[in-house]
Amino acid sequence: KQEVTQIPAALSVPEGENLVLNCSFTDSAIYNLQWFRQDPGKGLTSLLLIQSSQREQTSGRLNASLDKSSGRSTLYIAASQPGDSATYLCAVRPSNTGKLIFGQGTTLQVKP
Amino acid sequence: NAGVMQNPRHLVRRRGQEARLRCSPMKGHSHVYWYRQLPEEGLKFMVYLQKENIIDESGMPKERFSAEFPKEGPSILRIQQVVRGDSAAYFCASSPSDSPGGYTFGSGTRLTVV
Repeated sequence: KQEVTQIPAALSVPEGENLVLNCSFTDSAIYNLQWFRQDPGKGLTSLLLIQSSQREQTSGRLNASLDKSSGRSTLYIAASQPGDSATYLCAVRPSNTGKLIFGQGTTLQVKP
Repeated sequence: NAGVMQNPRHLVRRRGQEARLRCSPMKGHSHVYWYRQLPEEGLKFMVYLQKENIIDESGMPKERFSAEFPKEGPSILRIQQVVRGDSAAYFCASSPSDSPGGYTFGSGTRLTVV
């Protein structure tokens, strides 16, 4: 059974810091892995999608990596800003299934 | 392209009433997924549908919950005889096919049972 774990559960950093959010999953048989952002009381915004054959994806100040063999992904945020404060969710799509398995999320606070 | 549209945004129901949540997928998307986010918990898969077909309902509670995606119109998640424990945010996502692409989520419906 696929399980997704995100560490840390919460993180508080001063503005300008570079930071790394971690995601691990128990079964390497996946189609892809997707990082989302969720603001309080809001929906999910897709940040990055990494297919199983890819090692990383980049969008602006965000970089996500995928190591399928070790069951790990990281989301790197460069030069953090207060507007980055949100909950970041990692989700994997297991092979041969349409559903996503979500981690519990990392709640990030970036202090001005 | 309006994205995935969910309505209503907020829904209040008394215990024992029925709740109907609607989801219109993105234009060109034929696959719809429903997820539930209970307070202080993560997102949990409920059901995966294509037009007129339930593909995977392994996450649906056995009783009171049903979902459909008719040939015409939005997908509907229906909760009969709601209880306080049904209070949650319900999110819908869509994708263009069952190929391994990404999902687009709606803004969710927040159900409160009083």
